[in-house]
Amino acid sequence: GAVVSQHPSWVICKSGTSVKIECRSLDFQATTMFWYRQFPKQSLMLMATSNEGSKATYEQGVEKDKFLINHASLTLSTLTVTSAHPEDSSFYICSARDNGQALTDYGYTFGSGTRLTVV
Amino acid sequence: AQSVTQPDIHITVSEGASLELRCNYSYGATPYLFWYVQSPGQGLQLLLKYFSGDTLVQGIKGFEAEFKRSQSSFNLRKPSVHWSDAAEYFCAVGVLGGSEKLVFGKGTKLTVNP
Repeated sequence: GAVVSQHPSWVICKSGTSVKIECRSLDFQATTMFWYRQFPKQSLMLMATSNEGSKATYEQGVEKDKFLINHASLTLSTLTVTSAHPEDSSFYICSARDNGQALTDYGYTFGSGTRLTVV
Repeated sequence: AQSVTQPDIHITVSEGASLELRCNYSYGATPYLFWYVQSPGQGLQLLLKYFSGDTLVQGIKGFEAEFKRSQSSFNLRKPSVHWSDAAEYFCAVGVLGGSEKLVFGKGTKLTVNP
């Protein structure tokens, strides 16, 4: 089945530094990947849609200069949290849709998430 | 705008009891609906999905969901809950056109008592 690998699973960084999170589709190609942020005991908030070979589409209220997204290949998207601050601490999850799936096979595969703590 | 409402924030059931988690959606066209489960500190696992056809959908782990267009609902059910079902459950609607993103409900936390 479709597998999405997200790395690292957790990271602690100092305030002011940058952190990169990787999202890889292991056995399928994904033109589009999605990045979500989840606060404790809350739902997933879509941050941006990552498009292979083009700029990401950010949701309203998400700072594109703080959350840099790169989707350089059909199997890899990265989210870089720049100049991280404690308020950026959260659980970040990516998901991807298999290009090869028929619409009736539609399903989004999620990574296992990254717990970011900024100290 | 598309939206998903899960009216129950937290549900507690006894092991072996039946379960129903509610989900209502707002969407202007035929919806694509999903149920996901999330264990603490983990990503989301797809339980089942609905696109068209039979309104009763079977999923993994013994779950099923019924699409009712007249009620704009897609409730998740399981006849007998196991302790391992304790988790957070999210209902989502797929927005067609463009990026085809998912819009999630706020989730329902399920606690299973022995």
